[in-house]
Amino acid sequence: NAGVMQNPRHLVRRRGQEARLRCSPMKGHSHVYWYRQLPEEGLKFMVYLQKENIIDESGMPKERFSAEFPKEGPSILRIQQVVRGDSAAYFCASSRLQGNTEAFFGQGTRLTVV
Amino acid sequence: AQSVAQPEDQVNVAEGNPLTVKCTYSVSGNPYLFWYVQYPNRGLQFLLKYITGDNLVKGSYGFEAEFNKSQTSFHLKKPSALVSDSALYFCAVSAQGYTDKLIFGTGTRLQVFP
Repeated sequence: NAGVMQNPRHLVRRRGQEARLRCSPMKGHSHVYWYRQLPEEGLKFMVYLQKENIIDESGMPKERFSAEFPKEGPSILRIQQVVRGDSAAYFCASSRLQGNTEAFFGQGTRLTVV
Repeated sequence: AQSVAQPEDQVNVAEGNPLTVKCTYSVSGNPYLFWYVQYPNRGLQFLLKYITGDNLVKGSYGFEAEFNKSQTSFHLKKPSALVSDSALYFCAVSAQGYTDKLIFGTGTRLQVFP
């Protein structure tokens, strides 16, 4: 049973370009969470999704950021018109059920905006 | 609002000595508490969790943590440190209502010297 798979592992974008980060949850997991880790900081919650639904996006910036988890395929975190401040590690986690279970994390995507 | 504090940026300990990494929390309601470890350029690995039951929780790699409700603490401990334990450790608490949206502390870097 493969773990949470994120790709790409490293992504370099120029300012103004779009970044697409993908997350395939563990088999049997239908809950996906995205977190952002800025240098020398802890992880900050961004968004919680179930298949075809955004459950909680209270941590998402109001502009340029969006997330989806379609019925088929991976979850996508999309950042439009990237700026240098978007440079961070983005981690995806998945869980089987809501409540009383631990979330399993992927290895992250390191986004560098140049 | 939920929050987690890790008062030490770094903990240094000699191999073979006991180690403690401190964590205090603030939540409304019953806390769900977690410890994760992050090795360089890797994702987070789950160590242990407290949901309910015994205050002393045993986890992976010989780590344990003690839940202290009166002191609102959840310190991570290990009786005998290994050089390979050197990593970044994060304490996390769940947002009220479910266990998978996590609020992370800023992390404590553990350095074990041979």
